[in-house]
Amino acid sequence: GESVGLHLPTLSVQEGDNSIINCAYSNSASDYFIWYKQESGKGPQFIIDIRSNMDKRQGQRVTVLLNKTVKHLSLQIAATQPGDSAVYFCAEISGYSTLTFGKGTMLLVSP
Amino acid sequence: NAGVTQTPKFRVLKTGQSMTLLCAQDMNHEYMYWYRQDPGMGLRLIHYSVGEGTTAKGEVPDGYNVSRLKKQNFLLGLESAAPSQTSVYFCASSYSYQILHFGNGTRLTVT
Repeated sequence: GESVGLHLPTLSVQEGDNSIINCAYSNSASDYFIWYKQESGKGPQFIIDIRSNMDKRQGQRVTVLLNKTVKHLSLQIAATQPGDSAVYFCAEISGYSTLTFGKGTMLLVSP
Repeated sequence: NAGVTQTPKFRVLKTGQSMTLLCAQDMNHEYMYWYRQDPGMGLRLIHYSVGEGTTAKGEVPDGYNVSRLKKQNFLLGLESAAPSQTSVYFCASSYSYQILHFGNGTRLTVT
């Protein structure tokens, strides 16, 4: 069957560069956001999360920025490595509803 | 600690056949979910459960049924498979509505 990566926006970077993956969300009431990474043939894995009362949160080599004014979320990956090649999804949730996932962005890292 | 385990990993069905996908989690999570993933469509929620004996419809429930007889297991059934149900199916579990832990998927082809 088709790979999940087909038809997705793609970001191509060189190893060692910083990567920025963007996500626009639709629900102004969303109060919690998560980034997931999905490697080929595997299920999505949690990377980092942020609540709506924050603008920025940092993890190991990753930073998430939230701009509620324009309903925009970004994931920054520092010193991108070939192992970072994957599809990245943002997800949003409002209150006690279930997570809504974006359609994803494919990140390709070349050595 | 296996996390979320899905069986089978691959399956081919003919139109009209039935099958059940099994999801098992060993993290004592209350919440469990079934998603389908199609190229360019992201992850779409089929059904979910907030505890043993409970189920609820997600975004795309038609053609599927689920059961949660035991806390650790969540079954997804297709009573009469259709080619439109060709997809990759992911099960997930969580402590709350928020951070989901995914299995590695079942690739289903309906001919």
